[in-house]
This record gives sequence, structure tokens and C-alpha cells, in this order.
Amino acid sequence: SAVISQKPSRDICQRGTSLTIQCQVDSQVTMMFWYRQQPGQSLTLIATANQGSEATYESGFVIDKFPISRPNLTFSTLTVSNMSPEDSSIYLCSAFGGTGELFFGEGSRLTVL
Amino acid sequence: ILNVEQSPQSLHVQEGDSTNFTCSFPSSNFYALHWYRWETAKSPEALFVMTLNGDEKKKGRISATLNTKEGYSYLYIKGSQPEDSATYLCALNNAGNMLTFGGGTRLMVKP
Repeated sequence: SAVISQKPSRDICQRGTSLTIQCQVDSQVTMMFWYRQQPGQSLTLIATANQGSEATYESGFVIDKFPISRPNLTFSTLTVSNMSPEDSSIYLCSAFGGTGELFFGEGSRLTVL
Repeated sequence: ILNVEQSPQSLHVQEGDSTNFTCSFPSSNFYALHWYRWETAKSPEALFVMTLNGDEKKKGRISATLNTKEGYSYLYIKGSQPEDSATYLCALNNAGNMLTFGGGTRLMVKP
């Protein structure tokens, strides 16, 4: 199993500002995944973060809006840039465990005013 | 874009009732079907990863079945308890590394 720590757990931000979410895994993992859950919606994959290369973004998500860093095999950050109220969501980082299931952090609940 | 659908969206049951919900998905290029439980203010927690048609898995009072030919999976909870209250998510893995999640079924068990 993997233990994933995420911070902040929640934040309230002003429109136009940026917030960086940090994710720490207690073991080395090749890929880390960033998901978003907007109110009333399903979990949606934002991007896959690989160590040593640029993140791979899913349709509808761009690097300028959601820059991601992956400096080593246990850590990643996601920045939500130039926030608007539509960015109010729960953001989750995750990684695969040894038996094929995803392990998740506890999520970062973001409210943009 | 894959369409993974879960029903019902929400469900209220009385303590002791048994219940079940459905996950439907496109059956082409199937790799695995995942079930997760997500309690408020906690991390989503993996329940099952199912790969074979006809698979049936069990963990305590919770079990799941899989039909890859017709594209559905059922999750069953026997004798629901208040601590079972959570959102139950299914997710389709059809490309090895990417999961597409359904919208979830929110279960509330009344004591």
C-alpha cells in the first residue's frame, strides 16, 4: 500500500490568485495522477505526472492553467493558476499501489470567491 | 470520451437493509473495473479491482460482480450499517494506466 499526504486540506482563495497543492508519497512511484471533482461531478483526471518529464494533460486541461512539478519519485505539486469560482473543487493526487488499485491523498478542498 | 455510468445517484436505506448499485461501462477494450469507497473528509479507498468476466469478489459484507461482455458491475452491501455511509465510485481502466470514473452512488444509512 501507499500513504499519500496532501496539503493544504482546504483553502479559500480570491479570484485571480494562484494556489499550489503539494502531494507526498511514502514510497517511490513512477506515475502520480492529479484528479479534480467539481461539485456534483465525477472525478476527472487532470494530468499524469512523470518524474523527469513534462506532465501529460487530459483534454480540457492545459499547462498554463494547471502547472505541475515532479522533482522526484515521491513528490509532486499542482498549481491552480489565475483562479475563478469555476475552479472550486476537490483536488486529489493519487498513485497506483502494488496490486493495481489507486491510492489517494485526502484531497484539497478549494473554494474560490 | 468513455461513458461510465452509476445508478442510482443517491440512496437512503435503513440500518440492516441490504442494497446494491450498478456501474455500466463500454465493454470494448476492457482491462479492469475498480470500486472505491469515499467517506467525507477522507481519501477514496479501494474496495475491489476486477479483471475477469464473471469475477465475484467479497470483503466482509460488501461484494461485487463483473460482466465484461455486457458492460456492467454490481456492488452489494449486506446488512447496511451507518458506517457504510459514503460515496461509492466505480472506475474503468481500459488503457493500462488511466481510470475513468463514474459519477458515484451516494449511500446514506439511517440508524
